[in-house]
Amino acid sequence: SQKIEQNSEALNIQEGKTATLTCNYTNYSPAYLQWYRQDPGRGPVFLLLIRENEKEKRKERLKVTFDTTLKQSLFHITASQPADSATYLCALVGSGTYKYIFGTGTRLKVLA
Amino acid sequence: NAGVTQTPKFRILKIGQSMTLQCTQDMNHNYMYWYRQDPGMGLKLIYYSVGAGITDKGEVPNGYNVSRSTTEDFPLRLELAAPSQTSVYFCASSSQTTSVRTDTQYFGPGTRLTVL
Repeated sequence: SQKIEQNSEALNIQEGKTATLTCNYTNYSPAYLQWYRQDPGRGPVFLLLIRENEKEKRKERLKVTFDTTLKQSLFHITASQPADSATYLCALVGSGTYKYIFGTGTRLKVLA
Repeated sequence: NAGVTQTPKFRILKIGQSMTLQCTQDMNHNYMYWYRQDPGMGLKLIYYSVGAGITDKGEVPNGYNVSRSTTEDFPLRLELAAPSQTSVYFCASSSQTTSVRTDTQYFGPGTRLTVL
């Protein structure tokens, strides 16, 4: 069955460092991969989308890579700040469907 | 724009009761979704709609029903509530108007439902 894995353990990093979060998937060929941020008690907020034919996407301090051979996406936050502390979710969807599959999320804590 | 609004914010149901979770969006989006999120878990798609009058099942549709009579509203109906339906429910919407998909989903604040 289709499966998405994100590191379930919380990631603690020091302010100013680069945070790297991983999203691995199996038994799936996504056309699009997205990253969302979720704060406690709130709905997810869209951050970045990357297509299967794109290797890398950037937006301000955020960078996403997509390796369809490794079946993996990496999400980087450079010069991290305490305000970046949140849970980050990855989501996949195929080209012919709108049925999204979400990972369980990784909780990031940036220490001042 | 208010974006995606959901009511109620919280609700406690007894086993066997029914209720409707309301979802409204004011962005004229054609696509709408219902997800549930259990503690420590990712979002699971319950139902989605690609336009008024069109709905389809997601990953976990059992025990739920939906309707989409207007572009703005996408209510989720729980019949015969069970403890397994205790969860946080999120509604989302997105706009797909061209052949190039953008797939940005806008989420509501969620409804926290407890079934006792």
